[in-house]
Amino acid sequence: GAVVSQHPSRVICKSGTSVKIECRSLDFQATTMFWYRQFPKQSLMLMATSNEGSKATYEQGVEKDKFLINHASLTLSTLTVTSAHPEDSSFYICSARDLAGGLNEQFFGPGTRLTVL
Amino acid sequence: QQQVKQSPQSLIVQKGGISIINCAYENTAFDYFPWYQQFPGKGPALLIAIRPDVSEKKEGRFTISFNKSAKQFSLHIMDSQPGDSATYFCAASKGGSWGKLQFGAGTQVVVTP
Repeated sequence: GAVVSQHPSRVICKSGTSVKIECRSLDFQATTMFWYRQFPKQSLMLMATSNEGSKATYEQGVEKDKFLINHASLTLSTLTVTSAHPEDSSFYICSARDLAGGLNEQFFGPGTRLTVL
Repeated sequence: QQQVKQSPQSLIVQKGGISIINCAYENTAFDYFPWYQQFPGKGPALLIAIRPDVSEKKEGRFTISFNKSAKQFSLHIMDSQPGDSATYFCAASKGGSWGKLQFGAGTQVVVTP
């Protein structure tokens, strides 16, 4: 199956700093990537959808100025959590799909654990 | 508002037993119903998926049963093994497997030896 990686796997930062999380499709071109947030023992909540070369579409209630998403290439999307606070501590997961190549499912990355002190 | 309702929240089953997880949805526009398996600290992985024109799909020890009129679908794990201990999520989307996924709350399954 197709492989999606995330970097870093874990990050700890101080309150007020910004953190960038990378999501890469390793063996396919991801025309669309999704970003999810998962709190402990809870479900995955979709934050935003990003299509390569265009602005991300955010779900209701997600602050676009706080969670900056860039999908500048077909294999890389980044999520930047700006001015992070302890309530932003969560497990962030991306998924990727390739409409053009015919992959008929979304492939999930391994997730990034963010802890804001 | 949870568009896909999942139960039970947790499940303990003996090795060799059957694990059954149920999900219900309201939006009749959903046309793709996958199940994901997630281990602690990892991203979810697709187990099996079904479309509404099929009432049952089996892959190995995993079976999805789908009841379109009741707007319910379930996952059966036959001959459960300790390695199946994980959290299972049902999901639904419009626009097939490429649509935005709405996840259920998850079921933590523990298979005892």
